Amino acid sequence: NAGVTQTPKFRILKIGQSMTLQCAQDMNHNYMYWYRQDPGMGLKLIYYSVGAGITDKGEVPNGYNVSRSTTEDFPLRLELAAPSQTSVYFCASSYAEQNTEAFFGQGTRLTVV
Amino acid sequence: AQTVTQSQPEMSVQEAETVTLSCTYDTSESDYYLFWYKQPPSRQMILVIRQEAYKQQNATENRFSVNFQKAAKSFSLKISDSQLGDAAMYFCAYRGYQGGSEKLVFGKGTKLTVNP
Repeated sequence: NAGVTQTPKFRILKIGQSMTLQCAQDMNHNYMYWYRQDPGMGLKLIYYSVGAGITDKGEVPNGYNVSRSTTEDFPLRLELAAPSQTSVYFCASSYAEQNTEAFFGQGTRLTVV
Repeated sequence: AQTVTQSQPEMSVQEAETVTLSCTYDTSESDYYLFWYKQPPSRQMILVIRQEAYKQQNATENRFSVNFQKAAKSFSLKISDSQLGDAAMYFCAYRGYQGGSEKLVFGKGTKLTVNP
Protein backbone atom coordinates (compact mmCIF):
# COMPACT_ATOMS: atom_id res chain seq x y z
CA ASN A 1 0.00 0.00 0.00
CA ALA A 2 1.34 3.39 -0.99
CA GLY A 3 -0.91 5.25 1.52
CA VAL A 4 -0.63 9.01 1.06
CA THR A 5 1.92 10.15 -1.49
CA GLN A 6 3.14 13.72 -1.68
CA THR A 7 5.36 15.22 -4.34
CA PRO A 8 7.80 16.86 -4.39
CA LYS A 9 9.64 16.27 -1.10
CA PHE A 10 11.62 19.49 -1.36
CA ARG A 11 11.23 22.65 -3.43
CA ILE A 12 12.76 26.11 -3.57
CA LEU A 13 10.63 28.82 -5.14
CA LYS A 14 11.35 32.42 -5.97
CA ILE A 15 8.98 35.10 -4.74
CA GLY A 16 6.06 35.44 -7.12
CA GLN A 17 6.41 31.99 -8.67
CA SER A 18 3.60 29.50 -8.55
CA MET A 19 3.54 25.76 -8.01
CA THR A 20 1.30 22.84 -7.22
CA LEU A 21 1.94 20.38 -4.42
CA GLN A 22 0.56 17.01 -5.38
CA CYS A 23 -1.19 14.62 -3.02
CA ALA A 24 -2.67 11.23 -3.80
CA GLN A 25 -4.11 8.50 -1.60
CA ASP A 26 -5.05 4.94 -2.50
CA MET A 27 -7.13 4.06 0.55
CA ASN A 28 -10.47 5.32 -0.83
CA HIS A 29 -10.67 7.92 1.94
CA ASN A 30 -13.43 10.50 1.74
CA TYR A 31 -11.62 13.16 3.73
CA MET A 32 -8.41 14.87 2.70
CA TYR A 33 -6.53 17.71 4.37
CA TRP A 34 -3.67 20.09 3.78
CA TYR A 35 -1.69 21.35 6.77
CA ARG A 36 1.36 23.52 7.12
CA GLN A 37 3.84 23.02 9.92
CA ASP A 38 5.95 25.89 11.14
CA PRO A 39 8.50 25.51 13.97
CA GLY A 40 6.79 25.76 17.35
CA MET A 41 3.38 26.28 15.76
CA GLY A 42 2.10 22.78 15.26
CA LEU A 43 -0.04 21.91 12.25
CA LYS A 44 -2.39 24.50 10.88
CA LEU A 45 -5.19 23.49 8.54
CA ILE A 46 -5.10 25.20 5.16
CA TYR A 47 -7.93 23.48 3.28
CA TYR A 48 -9.85 20.26 3.55
CA SER A 49 -12.25 18.20 1.47
CA VAL A 50 -14.97 15.77 2.55
CA GLY A 51 -15.33 14.24 -0.90
CA ALA A 52 -14.79 14.74 -4.61
CA GLY A 53 -16.05 18.14 -5.70
CA ILE A 54 -16.26 19.52 -2.15
CA THR A 55 -13.60 21.70 -0.54
CA ASP A 56 -13.60 24.09 2.38
CA LYS A 57 -11.26 26.57 3.98
CA GLY A 58 -9.34 25.81 7.10
CA GLU A 59 -7.58 28.14 9.49
CA VAL A 60 -4.99 29.64 7.10
CA PRO A 61 -6.31 29.48 3.49
CA ASN A 62 -4.99 32.80 2.17
CA GLY A 63 -2.52 32.43 -0.69
CA TYR A 64 -3.60 28.86 -1.49
CA ASN A 65 -6.16 27.08 -3.63
CA VAL A 66 -7.27 23.48 -3.87
CA SER A 67 -9.41 21.26 -6.04
CA ARG A 68 -10.79 17.76 -5.59
CA SER A 69 -11.87 16.35 -8.90
CA THR A 70 -11.33 12.73 -7.84
CA THR A 71 -11.44 10.82 -4.57
CA GLU A 72 -7.73 10.03 -4.86
CA ASP A 73 -6.17 13.43 -5.58
CA PHE A 74 -6.10 16.70 -3.65
CA PRO A 75 -3.54 19.15 -5.10
CA LEU A 76 -2.60 22.39 -3.33
CA ARG A 77 -1.83 25.41 -5.48
CA LEU A 78 0.34 28.37 -4.50
CA GLU A 79 -0.26 31.16 -6.99
CA LEU A 80 2.16 33.94 -5.96
CA ALA A 81 4.70 32.50 -3.59
CA ALA A 82 5.72 34.67 -0.63
CA PRO A 83 8.44 34.15 2.01
CA SER A 84 5.66 33.66 4.61
CA GLN A 85 4.74 30.45 2.80
CA THR A 86 8.08 28.88 3.64
CA SER A 87 7.01 25.84 5.62
CA VAL A 88 6.61 22.09 5.64
CA TYR A 89 3.35 21.02 4.05
CA PHE A 90 1.52 17.84 4.94
CA CYS A 91 -1.30 16.17 3.12
CA ALA A 92 -3.49 13.75 5.08
CA SER A 93 -6.53 11.60 4.46
CA SER A 94 -9.06 9.70 6.53
CA TYR A 95 -12.37 7.90 6.44
CA ALA A 96 -15.43 9.94 7.32
CA GLU A 97 -15.94 8.14 10.62
CA GLN A 98 -14.63 10.31 13.43
CA ASN A 99 -12.99 7.47 15.28
CA THR A 100 -10.60 6.84 12.41
CA GLU A 101 -7.19 8.42 12.37
CA ALA A 102 -5.73 10.54 9.63
CA PHE A 103 -2.91 9.11 7.55
CA PHE A 104 -0.19 11.52 6.54
CA GLY A 105 2.16 11.90 3.62
CA GLN A 106 5.87 12.43 4.16
CA GLY A 107 5.62 16.18 3.81
CA THR A 108 7.00 18.76 1.38
CA ARG A 109 9.61 21.21 2.59
CA LEU A 110 9.04 24.45 0.67
CA THR A 111 11.38 27.42 0.80
CA VAL A 112 10.44 30.72 -0.83
CA VAL A 113 13.39 33.06 -1.48
CA ALA B 1 -14.17 26.97 17.88
CA GLN B 2 -12.19 23.97 18.91
CA THR B 3 -8.69 24.64 20.16
CA VAL B 4 -6.05 22.25 21.39
CA THR B 5 -3.40 23.42 23.83
CA GLN B 6 -0.15 21.69 24.65
CA SER B 7 1.45 23.74 27.39
CA GLN B 8 4.83 21.99 27.41
CA PRO B 9 6.95 22.95 24.38
CA GLU B 10 9.71 20.57 25.54
CA MET B 11 10.02 17.69 27.97
CA SER B 12 12.83 15.33 28.85
CA VAL B 13 12.91 11.94 30.54
CA GLN B 14 15.52 9.40 31.52
CA GLU B 15 15.48 6.11 29.70
CA ALA B 16 13.23 3.56 31.49
CA GLU B 17 11.43 6.32 33.40
CA THR B 18 7.86 7.57 32.98
CA VAL B 19 6.81 10.88 31.47
CA THR B 20 3.44 12.58 31.04
CA LEU B 21 2.62 15.01 28.25
CA SER B 22 -0.27 17.41 28.78
CA CYS B 23 -3.07 18.39 26.45
CA THR B 24 -6.21 20.40 26.99
CA TYR B 25 -8.89 21.24 24.47
CA ASP B 26 -11.91 23.44 24.15
CA THR B 27 -15.17 22.30 22.58
CA SER B 28 -18.91 22.63 23.00
CA GLU B 29 -19.55 19.16 21.59
CA SER B 30 -20.27 16.06 23.63
CA ASP B 31 -19.16 13.51 21.04
CA TYR B 32 -15.65 13.68 19.60
CA TYR B 33 -12.39 11.82 19.37
CA LEU B 34 -8.91 12.58 20.61
CA PHE B 35 -5.58 11.36 19.27
CA TRP B 36 -1.90 11.48 20.07
CA TYR B 37 0.50 11.44 17.15
CA LYS B 38 4.26 10.99 17.22
CA GLN B 39 6.54 12.75 14.72
CA PRO B 40 10.15 11.50 14.75
CA PRO B 41 12.90 13.37 12.88
CA SER B 42 11.86 11.55 9.71
CA ARG B 43 8.75 13.84 9.72
CA GLN B 44 6.42 10.87 9.43
CA MET B 45 3.25 11.32 11.51
CA ILE B 46 2.48 8.13 13.44
CA LEU B 47 -0.66 7.47 15.41
CA VAL B 48 0.14 6.56 19.02
CA ILE B 49 -3.26 6.24 20.66
CA ARG B 50 -6.88 7.33 20.35
CA GLN B 51 -9.72 7.98 22.80
CA GLU B 52 -13.46 8.19 22.21
CA ALA B 53 -15.10 10.91 24.28
CA TYR B 54 -18.08 8.72 25.16
CA LYS B 55 -15.84 6.10 26.76
CA GLN B 56 -14.91 6.66 30.37
CA GLN B 57 -12.20 4.02 30.27
CA ASN B 58 -8.78 5.38 29.44
CA ALA B 59 -7.16 3.99 26.29
CA THR B 60 -3.95 1.97 26.57
CA GLU B 61 -1.52 0.80 23.90
CA ASN B 62 1.41 -1.13 25.36
CA ARG B 63 3.64 1.45 27.12
CA PHE B 64 1.36 4.34 26.13
CA SER B 65 -1.74 5.29 28.07
CA VAL B 66 -3.93 8.33 28.43
CA ASN B 67 -5.63 10.10 31.30
CA PHE B 68 -8.86 11.41 29.81
CA GLN B 69 -10.80 13.84 31.99
CA LYS B 70 -13.84 14.88 29.96
CA ALA B 71 -15.22 17.42 32.39
CA ALA B 72 -11.83 19.11 32.63
CA LYS B 73 -11.27 18.74 28.87
CA SER B 74 -7.90 17.20 29.52
CA PHE B 75 -6.17 14.42 27.59
CA SER B 76 -2.66 13.64 28.79
CA LEU B 77 -0.33 10.97 27.43
CA LYS B 78 1.75 8.81 29.73
CA ILE B 79 4.77 6.98 28.37
CA SER B 80 6.07 4.25 30.65
CA ASP B 81 9.51 2.64 30.49
CA SER B 82 10.69 5.34 28.07
CA GLN B 83 12.94 4.20 25.27
CA LEU B 84 15.40 6.12 23.12
CA GLY B 85 13.10 5.55 20.15
CA ASP B 86 10.35 7.51 21.90
CA ALA B 87 12.25 10.75 21.29
CA ALA B 88 10.07 12.79 18.93
CA MET B 89 7.53 15.59 18.66
CA TYR B 90 4.17 14.59 20.08
CA PHE B 91 0.97 16.19 18.88
CA CYS B 92 -2.41 16.06 20.51
CA ALA B 93 -5.35 16.20 18.08
CA TYR B 94 -9.10 16.66 18.30
CA ARG B 95 -11.61 15.37 15.77
CA GLY B 96 -15.28 16.30 15.86
CA TYR B 97 -18.11 18.20 14.24
CA GLN B 98 -19.22 21.74 14.83
CA GLY B 99 -21.81 23.58 12.79
CA GLY B 100 -21.97 20.73 10.33
CA SER B 101 -18.31 20.77 9.42
CA GLU B 102 -15.66 18.27 10.33
CA LYS B 103 -12.66 19.52 12.25
CA LEU B 104 -9.31 17.85 12.81
CA VAL B 105 -7.33 20.25 14.99
CA PHE B 106 -3.79 19.82 16.31
CA GLY B 107 -1.92 21.31 19.21
CA LYS B 108 1.49 22.96 18.83
CA GLY B 109 3.35 19.88 19.92
CA THR B 110 5.72 18.81 22.68
CA LYS B 111 9.29 17.86 21.89
CA LEU B 112 10.30 14.85 23.96
CA THR B 113 13.96 14.10 24.61
CA VAL B 114 14.95 10.73 26.08
CA ASN B 115 18.27 10.74 27.91
CA PRO B 116 20.31 7.52 28.11
